[in-house]
Amino acid sequence: SQQGEEDPQALSIQEGENATMNCSYKTSINNLQWYRQNSGRGLVHLILIRSNEREKHSGRLRVTLDTSKKSSSLLITASRAADTASYFCATLRRGGGSNYKLTFGKGTLLTVNP
Amino acid sequence: SQTIHQWPATLVQPVGSPLSLECTVEGTSNPNLYWYRQAAGRGLQLLFYSVGIGQISSEVPQNLSASRPQDRQFILSSKKLLLSDSGFYLCAWSVIEGETQYFGPGTRLLVL
Repeated sequence: SQQGEEDPQALSIQEGENATMNCSYKTSINNLQWYRQNSGRGLVHLILIRSNEREKHSGRLRVTLDTSKKSSSLLITASRAADTASYFCATLRRGGGSNYKLTFGKGTLLTVNP
Repeated sequence: SQTIHQWPATLVQPVGSPLSLECTVEGTSNPNLYWYRQAAGRGLQLLFYSVGIGQISSEVPQNLSASRPQDRQFILSSKKLLLSDSGFYLCAWSVIEGETQYFGPGTRLLVL
């Protein structure tokens, strides 16, 4: 079953505006990660937030985590056309035995118009 | 610095033909290695992961298999491809299981 679900599925904004993407999940997690994927390319890791953290920043990125609501948000401030990409959240939880399982959502397609 | 390579970049194969996709990592030792498949407009599905040479765990039963003949080499194979095997295959590595994963450029496979 899908662990992480991003919302919205697609988002179109103007350059300079802020973009907010949300991720909801169902079971308890160890950490939550956000990745970016340009069309037809591999994924690039953006930020990792642990279950005991509430907020993290990296440049123009701000990630929040609310474990009580089982949700996370990714905020991109002052967006640029180059931010156009798909953004995925991935939740990590302990699987069977000593293994960890990272489960990806279906992603949010962000389009930043010049 | 570490780099990850995948080849080929694109592959068109007929149904029933064999498959071999290769992934290699440079600049690190004993990485955790992963194979994912991404269908069009979908998220990533973990297919296999490996924590060491010869150690392969399968997440989804299918007609694919994986092998790790060397520390930094991960191979995805099939004896007979199905139409449903079409997709974008991504290899990734991590230093610590469960932490940041670093992805290769991917292989786009089209089975006709």
